[in-house]
Amino acid sequence: KNEVEQSPQNLTAQEGEFITINCSYSVGISALHWLQQHPGGGIVSLFMLSSGKKKHGRLIATINIQEKHSSLHITASHPRDSAVYICAVRSGNNDMRFGAGTRLTVKP
Amino acid sequence: EPEVTQTPSHQVTQMGQEVILRCVPISNHLYFYWYRQILGQKVEFLVSFYNNEISEKSEIFDDQFSVERPDGSNFTLKIRSTKLEDSAMYFCASSSNNGETQYFGPGTRLLVL
Repeated sequence: KNEVEQSPQNLTAQEGEFITINCSYSVGISALHWLQQHPGGGIVSLFMLSSGKKKHGRLIATINIQEKHSSLHITASHPRDSAVYICAVRSGNNDMRFGAGTRLTVKP
Repeated sequence: EPEVTQTPSHQVTQMGQEVILRCVPISNHLYFYWYRQILGQKVEFLVSFYNNEISEKSEIFDDQFSVERPDGSNFTLKIRSTKLEDSAMYFCASSSNNGETQYFGPGTRLLVL
């Protein structure tokens, strides 16, 4: 069983829709990261969470430590949001474990 | 805005050859990382580095791999004798403190023939 599971694997939405990507993990963590990987391969860090909720522009990330679950929400989605969104967890050391990613396509 | 840079962007090498992948982390960052992503697969952690020594490494990071900070700016990943299965995108990242946000470089795409 993967230590970090993301759902859905693929997601297609119409421009303007509200999007949710989920991440569940099975290990104890010190932090959870949401990353965005562009079609060219580049990776951008979106959020780092250890509790609660963070917001940046149209992006919102939440984490429930007790349930070992995090969600990434995108409000008013736009075609430029099309990318692979990756959940990664950091355990007590510097080791990061990555999910397989959710491929998001937002159609105009 | 400061960014992590990596060179080369692409490298093609013959099996058994040594390769060195170079990274310039953000200048005031103290923690450095290497990751790899085999085509179509998820990103995998290789190694973290702090205070001129490895602080954590994964099972992937075997004796064929080494890291070095030869001067105040570069952070390198060396693969001594490349194998076909080393073909992947290699990402460098850096952070200011342990557990803080990591900033990723654009990656080096390595192809081993």
